[in-house]
Amino acid sequence: QKEVEQNSGPLSVPEGAIASLNCTYSDRGSQSFFWYRQYSGKSPELIMSIYSNGDKEDGRFTAQLNKASQYVSLLIRDSQPSDSATYLCAVGSGNTGKLIFGQGTTLQVKP
Amino acid sequence: NAGVTQTPKFQVLKTGQSMTLQCAQDMNHNSMYWYRQDPGMGLRLIYYSASEGTTDKGEVPNGYNVSRLNKREFSLRLESAAPSQTSVYFCASSENGAGGNQPQHFGDGTRLSIL
Repeated sequence: QKEVEQNSGPLSVPEGAIASLNCTYSDRGSQSFFWYRQYSGKSPELIMSIYSNGDKEDGRFTAQLNKASQYVSLLIRDSQPSDSATYLCAVGSGNTGKLIFGQGTTLQVKP
Repeated sequence: NAGVTQTPKFQVLKTGQSMTLQCAQDMNHNSMYWYRQDPGMGLRLIYYSASEGTTDKGEVPNGYNVSRLNKREFSLRLESAAPSQTSVYFCASSENGAGGNQPQHFGDGTRLSIL
């Protein structure tokens, strides 16, 4: 059973701080990794994709991938109250297009 | 640009009733997916269609059927609804090619309650 694990939280950070969200996965052959943001009552929204080891930055978001450790993380710099949401980690499964989702980490950014 | 459109947005059924959830995408994606999301359970794949003309079971297919009507449309049918199927249902689509999976793009969801 291929698994994706996330700490459910809540992770609470003060406004302006760096939020660090972590995800581990079991399938060593995985090649594609995604972070989605889901506000309460809304659908998941793609915020980052990463395919290679290292860091990928997009605005205040940085995704980090370490395939050897089977670990992917998302850093949110200068966290804002509007960043308060559940963040879902998703890992590609083979070449079928299927994604395996973690259960999500709830982030609370306090003003 | 609508992306992925799901209908209806809300539905209440009685046990034993049937219904079809509709999904259409306008991004010319090959692959489409149906998920359910329950508290504490995350997103679970019900069925998927890697390309027009093909469908495959996901993690939780029991009690559901699907039809890939054409490249744009992928419907999910509950033949005899049960209270355990009360959930939020999401349709998603993606463009997949060689070199790894592409991201999936989600519709707004259907909130389904079965009494």
